[in-house]
Parts: sequence; C-alpha cells; structure tokens
Amino acid sequence: DAKTTQPPSMDCAEGRAANLPCNHSTISGNEYVYWYRQIHSQGPQYIIHGLKNNETNEMASLIITEDRKSSTLILPHATLRDTAVYYCIVRVDTDKLIFGTGTRLQVFP
Amino acid sequence: EAQVTQNPRYLITVTGKKLTVTCSQNMNHEYMSWYRQDPGLGLRQIYYSMNVEVTDKGDVPEGYKVSRKEKRNFPLILESPSPNQTSLYFCASRSAGIGGYTFGSGTRLTVV
Repeated sequence: DAKTTQPPSMDCAEGRAANLPCNHSTISGNEYVYWYRQIHSQGPQYIIHGLKNNETNEMASLIITEDRKSSTLILPHATLRDTAVYYCIVRVDTDKLIFGTGTRLQVFP
Repeated sequence: EAQVTQNPRYLITVTGKKLTVTCSQNMNHEYMSWYRQDPGLGLRQIYYSMNVEVTDKGDVPEGYKVSRKEKRNFPLILESPSPNQTSLYFCASRSAGIGGYTFGSGTRLTVV
C-alpha cells in the first residue's frame, strides 16, 4: 500500500499558485519525500525532493511540516502546461518506490 | 542529451511468445527500475537494480525477468506473456544518492 495520501483532484486558475498537499504520517526519520508529475501518458517527470527543510528549484517549492507528517508542493504561477497528475512519494527501503494514485491538477484559463 | 531510451514504443504480441523490452540510459546511472501503469492502479514497480548484477523485486514481479549485465542496460523480459500483462511500461534510472529518477517515454504493450 502507498504510504502517502493525496486528494484525487484539484483545480487552479492559470497564473495563480497551485498548492498540492500530501500526507505521509508514517514517514520515518531517514525517508525523503519526492514529487513527480505525469502529463498524459508520458514518462513521469521528477520535480523536487526534500528531507525536512523547505526546498525550492526552478520548477517548484516543497514545504515540509516540522513533524514531517505532511508536505505541500507549490507551483508558484501555474500554467496550462502544468496540468498533470502529481505524485508524492516516500522512499522506502533502498529503491522500492511506491507511487499512489496522485492528484490530478487541472489548470484552467 | 541525457535520456532513458526504451524500445519498442508500441508492441502487439500473442500469448506465450517471449519478448524483451530494452532500456538504455546514457547518464552512467547506478540505479534502474521498471514500472507498469494500469488504469486505476497507478504506477507499480516491477523490478529494480542498484548496480550491475544487483537486482531486486518490486511490487509486481510475477511473470517478468530482468538482467543487469551492463550498467547502461536493463532489459525487461516476458518469457510467456499473458493478456494481463497488457500495460504501459516505463523504465527509469538515477544516480546513487538521493536524486530523482529520469523516466523513459514508455512502451505500450498489448498481449492478445
């Protein structure tokens, strides 16, 4: 079973910030949180990852709560091309990644 | 260009006819992995490899084999394909450490 919980879908207006939540209440101390997205049936695209500090790159920001039980991916200025399914993943074991069903983000004009 | 290349992109085959889906990466990555994606079930890991000659089962390894004889290649082998292996398959690779995976473009397999 997936170790993360995400809402099945969200909408966001173009140009606004998209905030995608993820719950990972059973995360252990050395597990990282990763975010990927998948546009249509293309290969998933890595976005960002973090352990306990907030992270930012050219694509997005990742906010992890102090207790690490949840996180939020922020797309600061969503565009139509950001419409995709977003996956929040906690790395377990070595490389045994478990993808959940993700959040389908729809960006509308 | 850094990439993961899968071949073929599309394949229709018959039950029981052995097939291999190739995966190659040009980034000198240690880790490679295979996933299948089915409607309503999301992405499920089939096998992964942490380096040459080191492989391990993911969540749905039944009916599949893999090998990692060279660092760049990680083929997925279906010895006797069945219709329930009709799916969209993705190969991915990453470097050692905490970085994210780079995924291939996918192989859509249909077994009739």
